[in-house]
Amino acid sequence: AQKVTQAQTEISVVEKEDVTLDCVYETRDTTYYLFWYKQPPSGELVFLIRRNSFDEQNEISGRYSWNFQKSTSSFNFTITASQVVDSAVYFCALHSSNTGKLIFGQGTTLQVKP
Amino acid sequence: NAGVTQTPKFRVLKTGQSMTLLCAQDMNHEYMYWYRQDPGMGLRLIHYSVGEGTTAKGEVPDGYNVSRLKKQNFLLGLESAAPSQTSVYFCASSPDYFTTTGELFFGEGSRLTVL
Repeated sequence: AQKVTQAQTEISVVEKEDVTLDCVYETRDTTYYLFWYKQPPSGELVFLIRRNSFDEQNEISGRYSWNFQKSTSSFNFTITASQVVDSAVYFCALHSSNTGKLIFGQGTTLQVKP
Repeated sequence: NAGVTQTPKFRVLKTGQSMTLLCAQDMNHEYMYWYRQDPGMGLRLIHYSVGEGTTAKGEVPDGYNVSRLKKQNFLLGLESAAPSQTSVYFCASSPDYFTTTGELFFGEGSRLTVL
């Protein structure tokens, strides 16, 4: 079975705080892809990152960083020095190379207060 | 490039009516997906397609049908709309994951209300 769990429904931080969004996944595939997407209040879905199951290197892009750990089936997302513009719903997603199915977690709503 | 285009953007239906949502992509993508987004439920996969002429069920397929007769188009049909199908529907497409660094491209969403 394929499943993505984002246990944090809502997170509220004050600007400049660091925040980590958790993502735990389940899959029987050996080859799969993980994604993070951002959905700002305007509603569109913005691609942030894609990672394949063979690449466990952590990635940093500006204030964003991702920690992929296959041992714990987790793909966590950290925003350093958060800003008000980071306020959005963030989705983690899992693609199965076996079936082509791509499913999303329930999303985490991040509110960054000034 | 238009990317992924969904039509219509808004629609109000009465219970029992039928309608079709059209998703068109101009990027020659193999994979196409239909999701629905409801408050607190995230994006749930309805149906998807891994290539022209193929379709498969997602997490919540009941009450919906799909067709992919042409590679660029993925149609989502509601044969007899129910109030529980009130939602925002997103279409997405992506290239072959194995040969590209592809991402999932989303349409702007279609807001459907069933009275």
